[in-house]
Amino acid sequence: EDQVTQSPEALRLQEGESSSLNCSYTVSGLRGLFWYRQDPGKGPEFLFTLYSAGEEKEKERLKATLTKKESFLHITAPKPEDSATYLCAVRGSNYKLTFGKGTLLTVNP
Amino acid sequence: DGGITQSPKYLFRKEGQNVTLSCEQNLNHDAMYWYRQDPGQGLRLIYYSQIVNDFQKGDIAEGYSVSREKKESFPLTVTSAQKNPTAFYLCASSIRGSPSTNEKLFFGSGTQLSVL
Repeated sequence: EDQVTQSPEALRLQEGESSSLNCSYTVSGLRGLFWYRQDPGKGPEFLFTLYSAGEEKEKERLKATLTKKESFLHITAPKPEDSATYLCAVRGSNYKLTFGKGTLLTVNP
Repeated sequence: DGGITQSPKYLFRKEGQNVTLSCEQNLNHDAMYWYRQDPGQGLRLIYYSQIVNDFQKGDIAEGYSVSREKKESFPLTVTSAQKNPTAFYLCASSIRGSPSTNEKLFFGSGTQLSVL
């Protein structure tokens, strides 16, 4: 069974304090790893898809990287508007999408 | 603006009552999905539909029913058989619906269902 573990569960940063969120996974035949951002009371919003180890993608202050066992979402010089829950999901060889529980990020001004 | 519209935003169910959550999309996507989100848990798939008049059970379909009579609409009914319905329900869509294309999902804003 595919599994996704996100850590930490919650992270509190000061504005400008860079950090990383972790997504560890076990999957039979990775087809893709997805990152989403979810604001309170809203639906998730797509950020990135990564397909193979070594791949990196960037968007504004966010950078996602992928290894054979985990993915990192690096946040550089975060702003309060980056506060949200970040969800990781993997799609395995059975094409089923498995979500992690998310990391709640709070950025204080 | 194209997107997915879920209604209502908040819904209350009395014991023994069936309730229906609405999901409409104007993205011209073939596939639509229903997920359930509980605090401290990952999203779990209830039902999905890759084409009109066809749908498949997800991981937690018991106590739920769906229909897909139109491409734009995928309503979810939470029946009285679902004993723990309190959760945040998310509708999503993707372009073609074939999982092998590895498409990203577009989500609606969700419906919070609570039991009275």
